Amino acid sequence: NAGVTQTPKFQVLKTGQSMTLQCAQDMNHEYMSWYRQDPGMGLRLIHYSVGAGITDQGEVPNGYNVSRSTTEDFPLRLLSAAPSQTSVYFCASSYSGRGAYEQYFGPGTRLTVT
Amino acid sequence: AQRVTQPEKLLSVFKGAPVELKCNYSYSGSPELFWYVQYSRQRLQLLLRHISRESIKGFTADLNKGETSFHLKKPFAQEEDSAMYYCALRNTDKLIFGTGTRLQVFP
Repeated sequence: NAGVTQTPKFQVLKTGQSMTLQCAQDMNHEYMSWYRQDPGMGLRLIHYSVGAGITDQGEVPNGYNVSRSTTEDFPLRLLSAAPSQTSVYFCASSYSGRGAYEQYFGPGTRLTVT
Repeated sequence: AQRVTQPEKLLSVFKGAPVELKCNYSYSGSPELFWYVQYSRQRLQLLLRHISRESIKGFTADLNKGETSFHLKKPFAQEEDSAMYYCALRNTDKLIFGTGTRLQVFP
């Protein structure tokens, strides 16, 4: 099993550009989520999904969109990148459809917006 | 509001010294708490959860409802314990993370 995979590992964007961060898991987990990690702020939940076709907002959803068309994939879209979105992004998945038991994390995507 | 507080950004100790990483929470109801760890260049991973009442890599954490705390303890720190530690609280479908404490263990 590859576990949770994320692409790309690194990305530099200019303000106003759009992009999609990819996340996939091969563990048949119902629950998937996106976090951003910033110094002094810990991990903050952006969006999450309890199953295919179901998504919900987390603590800091503004500027991000998600969709969950399959169990395996949970892409995160930045529609118009801003410097405030410079961060490390982590995708995670969990066995429980009600979320938040042991979450398995991806390796992260380091995004810089100039 | 549900909240997790880790008051220390950095904790530095020498090898063999006891370690206590503090975590306090705010939650209305019966909390489920976790400690996650991120070693250098590795993924964030679950260290332990309070419902398991287990010891992992010598670490233990006891839930104290009266003090609303879930401190992580280890009697004798090792250099390989150096990492970022996050306390987390389950809130229905979500995990709420604290801001993290970086543990540095010097030889």
